[in-house]
Amino acid sequence: AQSVTQLDSQVPVFEEAPVELRCNYSSSVSVYLFWYVQYPNQGLQLLLKYLSGSTLVKSINGFEAEFNKSQTSFHLRKPSVHISDTAEYFCAVIELGGTSYGKLTFGQGTILTVHP
Amino acid sequence: DTAVSQTPKYLVTQMGNDKSIKCEQNLGHDTMYWYKQDSKKFLKIMFSYNNKELIINETVPNRFSPKSPDKAHLNLHINSLELGDSAVYFCASSQLGAGNTGELFFGEGSRLTVL
Repeated sequence: AQSVTQLDSQVPVFEEAPVELRCNYSSSVSVYLFWYVQYPNQGLQLLLKYLSGSTLVKSINGFEAEFNKSQTSFHLRKPSVHISDTAEYFCAVIELGGTSYGKLTFGQGTILTVHP
Repeated sequence: DTAVSQTPKYLVTQMGNDKSIKCEQNLGHDTMYWYKQDSKKFLKIMFSYNNKELIINETVPNRFSPKSPDKAHLNLHINSLELGDSAVYFCASSQLGAGNTGELFFGEGSRLTVL
């Protein structure tokens, strides 16, 4: 069965600073990887996803994540954050086979707080 | 149009009561889910139905019973509510199978408070 570990529960940064939210996963089969964002009192929205091909994937609002198979990581980065990026970010993995097929497993979440 | 809609959005009730949360999706997906988000914001899958058949059933008390009358609806009924059931319950849908990503689309959540 797959598992996801987000290494930081909280990340405070100043506006316009770069940020990295770390995510590691474990699985015995191939996976798809996702980052979801949850703004206060809202549901989860997909930020970006890795399915195959180029290991660097980007979102429309400046976030990017790189799939590293050897390190089983999918870290999320943004070179310059805005106040509006304040939210909780969840890394998630879905296995492409095995008994966990169809099950999206989430990490514990990382609260990103951007200070002025 | 809301893709995945849940009702009610807020639910406050007494211990021991029975309550239901309804979910509907208009995305044409074949799979629906219930996730529980606890006070620490941890998201844990509870159930999943694919074409009205139960495919994922995590370790959930049998006071929780999902029902899928058709593939566009997945309801969650909870009997004999306990304080520990207080959480936000999220419904989600996806399209599984070859060529699909399994990406989940979430509803806005139903916040259940048990007093």
